[in-house]
Amino acid sequence: AQTVTQSQPEMSVQEAETVTLSCTYDTSESDYYLFWYKQPPSRQMILVIRQEAYKQQNATENRFSVNFQKAAKSFSLKISDSQLGDAAMYFCAYRSLINNNAGNMLTFGGGTRLMVKP
Amino acid sequence: DADVTQTPRNRITKTGKRIMLECSQTKGHDRMYWYRQDPGLGLQLIYYSFDVKDINKGEISDGYSVSRQAQAKFSLSLESAIPNQTALYFCATGSRWGPQETQYFGPGTRLLVL
Repeated sequence: AQTVTQSQPEMSVQEAETVTLSCTYDTSESDYYLFWYKQPPSRQMILVIRQEAYKQQNATENRFSVNFQKAAKSFSLKISDSQLGDAAMYFCAYRSLINNNAGNMLTFGGGTRLMVKP
Repeated sequence: DADVTQTPRNRITKTGKRIMLECSQTKGHDRMYWYRQDPGLGLQLIYYSFDVKDINKGEISDGYSVSRQAQAKFSLSLESAIPNQTALYFCATGSRWGPQETQYFGPGTRLLVL
């Protein structure tokens, strides 16, 4: 079974600065997807960014980018020019590509709470 | 309008009561999921459904049941609620078509069992 670990329970960043959230995972599979979800105080789970394991190029979405190190099984999220609205819980998640593997369920890490200081 | 809706958004119930949480989606997705989130933790899969006639247990299905009434509707029931089922419950949808299934989450239902 896959496991996802987020070793930083809390992080803080000054507004306009850059912060990196860490995520490591354990799997024996070679193809899979990785995700970062954001959960603001509204509780909604919002997809931030997605990475396919077969792609060497790191995914980027505006101020959000990842550093995907497949050999090290590491998938960190970098938030540039942090904004007050970025304050939230951030969850790293893994999804297998094997069909019918628990419905392609997402395996989540425990989350990192990001605080943004004005 | 939201693509994935959940009702109710908040619910307080007593031990032993039967309750149902409902989920509807307008995304046209075939797959639907129910997750549970405990305070300070990630989400765990309760049940999932590939289509109306295909329902499967997830990691933590004990004490729960589901019904897929239509492609767009997937409800979660607690037959006899207990306090350790107090949690935040999320419904999610996804599509089997295409190589990149991304799950889309509803706003969550906060359940308190007294």
